[in-house]
Amino acid sequence: SQQGEEDPQALSIQEGENATMNCSYKTSINNLQWYRQNSGRGLVHLILIRSNEREKHSGRLRVTLDTSKKSSSLLITASRAADTASYFCATDSQRNNDMRFGAGTRLTVKP
Amino acid sequence: EAGVVQSPRYKIIEKKQPVAFWCNPISGHNTLYWYRQNLGQGPELLIRYENEEAVDDSQLPKDRFSAERLKGVDSTLKIQPAELGDSAVYLCASSLTGRARTEAFFGQGTRLTVV
Repeated sequence: SQQGEEDPQALSIQEGENATMNCSYKTSINNLQWYRQNSGRGLVHLILIRSNEREKHSGRLRVTLDTSKKSSSLLITASRAADTASYFCATDSQRNNDMRFGAGTRLTVKP
Repeated sequence: EAGVVQSPRYKIIEKKQPVAFWCNPISGHNTLYWYRQNLGQGPELLIRYENEEAVDDSQLPKDRFSAERLKGVDSTLKIQPAELGDSAVYLCASSLTGRARTEAFFGQGTRLTVV
């Protein structure tokens, strides 16, 4: 069963624009991770944010976490065509320490 | 440092045949996961190991799937017999779990096609 749920399911933007993806989850977590997956390729780790953190940055990526709302967002600034991929959130459950994924957001960045 | 290594990358078998996947996690990582990913969907957890112990295999279809992790390092996932619906990408990931869990890193996966 899935834990996280990404929103939107698909997002199409122009190069240079910002992209925001959201993740909602149901149970208390230890941490939340964001991954990128290019078509037919493996999952690439982007950022891990712990339950006691509210925001983290990595290059053009900014992740926020609101544990009261059980939600996280991933912001990609100044997007590039190479950012075209599927993005997944994965939650590490406090209840059983399992890491479970949502269905992902498919981002298309048009040059 | 080598990442998570999986083999084979691709496998095509006829239904009712057995198949096995192998995973070598990142050195020192005590937590190992197996996931199944269908086209257009997120990875679905099959089993998680902490060292040699399978601590959550509730999503593993035990009538045909089995897994083992010898000496708490490499792991194999087996399907016997395979069904058409087992066609998917099988992903292995590892992380280090101590007081807190580190990032989980994935292998390239094994794409299984059952015909």
